[in-house]
Amino acid sequence: GDSVTQMEGPVTLSEEACLTINCTYTATGYPSLFWYVQYPGEGLQLLLKATKADDKGSNKGFEATYRKETTSFHLEKGSVQVSDSAVYFCALSGLNNNAGNMLTFGGGTRLMVKP
Amino acid sequence: KAGVTQTPRYLIKTRGQQVTLSCSPISGHRSVSWYQQTPGQGLQFLFEYFSETQRNKGNFPGRFSGRQFSNSRSEMNVSTLELGDSALYLCASSSLAGHYNEQFFGPGTRLTVL
Repeated sequence: GDSVTQMEGPVTLSEEACLTINCTYTATGYPSLFWYVQYPGEGLQLLLKATKADDKGSNKGFEATYRKETTSFHLEKGSVQVSDSAVYFCALSGLNNNAGNMLTFGGGTRLMVKP
Repeated sequence: KAGVTQTPRYLIKTRGQQVTLSCSPISGHRSVSWYQQTPGQGLQFLFEYFSETQRNKGNFPGRFSGRQFSNSRSEMNVSTLELGDSALYLCASSSLAGHYNEQFFGPGTRLTVL
């Protein structure tokens, strides 16, 4: 079945440092890939997405590129802020789900940014 | 446009009881999915409803059930609660079918089973 593996946290960075959170996946064909963010006490918010190979999703300074050859979708940001502190989830929506909207999530990576 | 709303936000039950959680999707959205979030198992898909029909179901026991009404509002029910059912239950809605669509999540219902 489909699966997503992302680096375990917590990841602790100083403000303005570079961020990379690794994410790899296993799925049939060409799934859609997503990064969601969860702030304390809240639900998930979509951060960015990519629906086909070589697509780059970007939002709020975050970027991720859909790499079919390495089955990866790593999240990157050039300069993190304290307000980026949250838990980040990599997820995929595959083709073997009866045309539905089922997401398979990675385990989540907690990011803590210190001033 | 109002977001996804879930009620109640917090719930405390005892083992053996049953519970019903409610989710109102974004207006116009016909797909509603439910997820369970726990520290040990992470985020796991429970089921998805589209136009009142269950379209997908995750690997959960039959104690977990759901339904969707004609106005797209959805409920999930957990019977014979166990301690391990303590979790944050998240609902998500989407406007279209298809694996490429964004899902919009509600704030969740935190269920504590004592």
